[in-house]
Amino acid sequence: GAVVSQHPSWVICKSGTSVKIECRSLDFQATTMFWYRQFPKQSLMLMATSNEGSKATYEQGVEKDKFLINHASLTLSTLTVTSAHPEDSSFYICSASSRDGDQPQHFGDGTRLSIL
Amino acid sequence: QKEVEQNSGPLSVPEGAIASLNCTYSDRGSQSFFWYRQYSGKSPELIMSIYSNGDKEDGRFTAQLNKASQYVSLLIRDSQPSDSATYLCAVRGDYKLSFGAGTTVTVRA
Repeated sequence: GAVVSQHPSWVICKSGTSVKIECRSLDFQATTMFWYRQFPKQSLMLMATSNEGSKATYEQGVEKDKFLINHASLTLSTLTVTSAHPEDSSFYICSASSRDGDQPQHFGDGTRLSIL
Repeated sequence: QKEVEQNSGPLSVPEGAIASLNCTYSDRGSQSFFWYRQYSGKSPELIMSIYSNGDKEDGRFTAQLNKASQYVSLLIRDSQPSDSATYLCAVRGDYKLSFGAGTTVTVRA
């Protein structure tokens, strides 16, 4: 149980392109989903938290107009990197947790984004 | 001061030995603690969760929590080459997880 699917797993695109990443909870209802970014040899950095049906909460220093998050249902959240540039190249990982407060976060497989 | 600190690695252990990983946290009100394993190029995978003081065992893994000392540890018994990975300690405050920088473990065959 507690499977989180993330798609696509790998994206290469030109600078200026917008990229959408999907995160789905397959066998549970995810009231909260989290979006992380990880640069090589560094730990995970939380970008934003999304709750179903409400606006995402962004961490300090994360541009909400650049990283658009939508959490329209209890099983799907999307992250759109708008007008991506080479410095946005990174490993993006989503996680999800259920309504129960103490339940752990379960991670998707991640999306490796490379902007040329 | 970092919220979650882990012992610096890398940690190299021979196959069959015990790997010991340590983690301290600063928020005394934290109630939920997790250990994740992350292979190179992959996303984190949950190994253990622990919520109350004491030990919790799951197969070859044992998590230990001491809230008074704000300390949580992970022991890996009978280490296998497949255990070679980075281990992340995560502490939940409110609804967010705070991660340590990770300890990279290498198990020598």
